[in-house]
Amino acid sequence: AAGVIQSPRHLIKEKRETATLKCYPIPRHDTVYWYQQGPGQDPQFLISFYEKMQSDKGSIPDRFSAQQFSDYHSELNMSSLELGDSALYFCASSLLLAGGSSYNEQFFGPGTRLTVL
Amino acid sequence: DAKTTQPNSMESNEEEPVHLPCNHSTISGTDYIHWYRQLPSQGPEYVIHGLTSNVNNRMASLAIAEDRKSSTLILHRATLRDAAVYYCILKYTGNQFYFGTGTSLTVIP
Repeated sequence: AAGVIQSPRHLIKEKRETATLKCYPIPRHDTVYWYQQGPGQDPQFLISFYEKMQSDKGSIPDRFSAQQFSDYHSELNMSSLELGDSALYFCASSLLLAGGSSYNEQFFGPGTRLTVL
Repeated sequence: DAKTTQPNSMESNEEEPVHLPCNHSTISGTDYIHWYRQLPSQGPEYVIHGLTSNVNNRMASLAIAEDRKSSTLILHRATLRDAAVYYCILKYTGNQFYFGTGTSLTVIP
């Protein structure tokens, strides 16, 4: 079965540079989520999109932005990178049930490991 | 936001059952209880979820207390591949997942 695809899998950047992470959700999934997991930390929710519109916002820094495109893939843009941005970035996708059910299984990708030097 | 409390770590012998507890005393009436696990160097993966009744699937069972203030994830026969961090999650507003600290499960051969 098709899974969530993230690219690149590894990325090394210098401080103050920009980075773009890409996420391709499972086909027919309409919702995409972004999470950040620092070293030894638990995943922290950043932002989510439903049908190309931002649906929820978590602890996403102002230096980061994201969007979901017409083909449902999503990109997380990170500017003015800081050392503290070094982390695993996970994308997850789900099919939001009609009516906004409080249950929706999220399928996670393998993550992008960002290292800021 | 509804929070969960889990032990930081647990150990189990291989092929023995494992009971992973979770307290969620501030759960609201419509909150589903989700369990995900994260194997080393991988993204979290779904394990099981429930609302009020106990649930079983091929991976695990979920026992939910009658007052819903706690739940227990049961792995019937732990294998080495079950070594992971297990997260008990209550969904906050919208579709956000807030991962707590999770329980790191070590399976001893």
